[in-house]
Formats: sequence, structure tokens, C-alpha cells
Amino acid sequence: GENVEQHPSTLSVQEGDSAVIKCTYSDSASNYFPWYKQELGKRPQLIIDIRSNVGEKKDQRIAVTLNKTAKHFSLHITETQPEDSAVYFCASRGRATGANNLFFGTGTRLTVIP
Amino acid sequence: DADVTQTPRNRITKTGKRIMLECSQTKGHDRMYWYRQDPGLGLRLIYYSFDVKDINKGEISDGYSVSRQAQAKFSLSLESAIPNQTALYFCATSDYLAGGPGTGELFFGEGSRLTVL
Repeated sequence: GENVEQHPSTLSVQEGDSAVIKCTYSDSASNYFPWYKQELGKRPQLIIDIRSNVGEKKDQRIAVTLNKTAKHFSLHITETQPEDSAVYFCASRGRATGANNLFFGTGTRLTVIP
Repeated sequence: DADVTQTPRNRITKTGKRIMLECSQTKGHDRMYWYRQDPGLGLRLIYYSFDVKDINKGEISDGYSVSRQAQAKFSLSLESAIPNQTALYFCATSDYLAGGPGTGELFFGEGSRLTVL
């Protein structure tokens, strides 16, 4: 199946600074790349996603970029706020199994220091 | 609000016991999933079901079984629990259809924390 690697595993930034989380994937046929945010004690929730026919997508302070050639995609959070503190998971829709399931990275714990 | 509900939310059990985690949804989605979350390992797929008659193994199905009792209900069983099955378990649903308009966003339940002693 698909293999998704995510870095870094932990990230601390000062409030107002930017944060970048990077992921790579293995299945060249993957076509959908979502990012989920999991606040402490809560369920993961989708915050932004990108399809393979787009190189960048932005939603207010968050943006995702995709490089299909290199098979990597990144989450960018600008002007970070304490409420951005959470675990972030990238995912890729792999087609290797034919089921089009999502495969997740191992997560990045982001801490925004006030 | 349409939602995904898991029971129990917390369970402590002993090695060798049979455990069932239940999931029900009011979203009307056909696809249902069970994921396991461990620190540093992310979310790993245990089993998934695309409709009542369809059950498929995921990445880490050994030691687990599932039952899709209805479109809205999908349960996960540990026939003989062992300590390394201690984890946070999430049920999820999606409306993904290949070639369809949906992206297949996963909607997660609140999680079931299982501790096996």
C-alpha cells in the first residue's frame, strides 16, 4: 500500500511565526492529499485538502502545496496562534490496493508558544 | 447534527478477554472504517467496509474482526485481547465514490480508549 512519511514529529514555534510540516508519499497514482488536525482529547478533523491537479491551495492562514514530481506536499500555517496547537496528520489517497483508502502520516505535534 | 458515535469511550480489560467496540452513524454514509491510533505511529487502518455485504482487511487486521450489522453500524471485536492492543480506536465514515463529486473526507467518532492489562 501507500507509504506516507511526515516530518517533523514535533514542532514548537513562537506565536505569530510560521509553521511548516512536510510529507512524502510513495504511490505515484495518489490523487488526493488532506490534512487533519487533532486537538488534545478530540477527534481528527479535516482542515484543508488538495487534489493532484492543483499545486497550491490556501484558506486564510493555512495553505498546502503539492509537488507531484517529487511526491511531496506541505502544510503551511502563518501567523500562528495558541489555538493552532494540536497534532496534524497528512494523508494520501493511495490506489495501490484498488480501494482508494487514505493512508496517514505519523503526525506532527505543533506547539505554539504565547 | 449527523454524527459518528462510539461506545464505550473508555474500557479497561484483562489479557484474554473478548472486547467489542461499537460504532453507529447518522451521516448516511456507505463507507465505514476502524482506525487505531498509537503515539508516534499515526492512524492505521484495521478494517473497512463499503457496504453491508463488504468487509475488507486494512493494514493491521491481525487479532481483530469486524461486523457490519447495518449501513449505520460497524463494530470491532478483539477476540482475545492482548496488552499491545492498548490504543485509541477511531471509527470513521465517508461518502467517497470513485469518480464522484465527493473527496472522501473522513468523519471520525470521538474515539474509544482501550487499555489491556
